[in-house]
Amino acid sequence: DIQMTQSPSSLSASVGDRVTISCRTSQDISNSLVWFQQKPGKAPKFLLFDAFRLESGVPSRFSGSGSGTDYTLTISGLQPEDFATYYCQQYHSPPLTFGGGTKVEIK
Amino acid sequence: QLQLQESGPGLVKASETLSLTCTVSGASITSSGYYWGWIRQPPGKGLEWIGSISYRWSTYYNPSLQSRVSMSVDTSNNQITLTVSSVTAADTAVYYCGRHRYSSSMYNWFDHWGQGLLVTVSS
Repeated sequence: DIQMTQSPSSLSASVGDRVTISCRTSQDISNSLVWFQQKPGKAPKFLLFDAFRLESGVPSRFSGSGSGTDYTLTISGLQPEDFATYYCQQYHSPPLTFGGGTKVEIK
Repeated sequence: QLQLQESGPGLVKASETLSLTCTVSGASITSSGYYWGWIRQPPGKGLEWIGSISYRWSTYYNPSLQSRVSMSVDTSNNQITLTVSSVTAADTAVYYCGRHRYSSSMYNWFDHWGQGLLVTVSS
């Protein structure tokens, strides 16, 4: 299985801040990575796929980058509705696996 | 508009078999190019893919659960069923059904999710 390591596990930030979340994989996944946002009591919602492609309707303050085994989700100008937990997931090879999550909290 | 709704018992006894149903509305589960699957999330923890089934009814399971998991479809009711046998407390989780992104392969992600159903395994 491809192991997914997200960091940090949590962070505190203020509205307007720039936030970066890291996702490291145990082997090269060739950009086969999606980022999800999950709010309490809700199902995850996917934001970006292929590591950097923004899903339709997702605000442009969300961006993704990386390659090989290291990927990053950036939120530029954190908004109140962005406080949530973020997960990465690889779809390069089975089984589909997820990172442990990063909780973005209000400072 | 596609909607998925999980249903089943909220409480299951240890060693028994858990059966969950995902009812799909707004789309047919027989539509080509779509896979359907299950993901679970233990309380306060991360996400785990359980398995998926293709529009040709091929099944794919997480090896960590493969010996205890089975998926099937009921096309007359547009439903997908998940069974997990010999459950333990470790199977306590919110179970989500979902539809994969349109593709010829299941190697992608859920772009539509149900609201989730909490299943608790009691000893």
